[in-house]
Amino acid sequence: KQEVTQIPAALSVPEGENLVLNCSFTDSAIYNLQWFRQDPGKGLTSLLLIQSSQREQTSGRLNASLDKSSGRSTLYIAASQPGDSATYLCAVYPNNNDMRFGAGTRLTVKP
Amino acid sequence: GAVVSQHPSRVICKSGTSVKIECRSLDFQATTMFWYRQFPKKSLMLMATSNEGSKATYEQGVEKDKFLINHASLTLSTLTVTSAHPEDSSFYICSASGFSVGDEQYFGPGTRLTVT
Repeated sequence: KQEVTQIPAALSVPEGENLVLNCSFTDSAIYNLQWFRQDPGKGLTSLLLIQSSQREQTSGRLNASLDKSSGRSTLYIAASQPGDSATYLCAVYPNNNDMRFGAGTRLTVKP
Repeated sequence: GAVVSQHPSRVICKSGTSVKIECRSLDFQATTMFWYRQFPKKSLMLMATSNEGSKATYEQGVEKDKFLINHASLTLSTLTVTSAHPEDSSFYICSASGFSVGDEQYFGPGTRLTVT
């Protein structure tokens, strides 16, 4: 059974700092991996989707990497801003019709 | 991009009553829809997967008689929480996928259910 772990559970950084969020999964045979953002009491906002054949995806200040062999993905946020404060969820697709979520990392960026 | 809506966004109901949550794919045909539940400060837990015209497949531990799922058309799935209790209070999120939009799941904005 695929298990997804996110470390740390919570992170607080000063504005402007670069940071890395980690996601690990137990079964390397994944279809896709996706990073989401969730604001308190809100739904999910998709940030980056990495297909199994890809190693990274970039969007603006965000860069997500995928290393299937080691069962790891990282989300790099450059020059963090207070507006980046949210919970970041990592989700893996064990196949093309299923998703498993990590518990998330709660990020606080202090002005 | 593909858009999924949910209605209502918030609902408060009394114990013992039933409440229905709708999930709609607005601009694509959703051959598969998923229902998730999220407890405070916890991640999303898949409740069930439904394919259009078929019975939903429930995850272990999810009561199918309590959480009724209907996926009657390619654009609409409903989740009915029957005889709701305060412990059913939660954030419910649906997602949808379809051949025309690839394999990615598109998420609705969620429904906050409070049972008093």
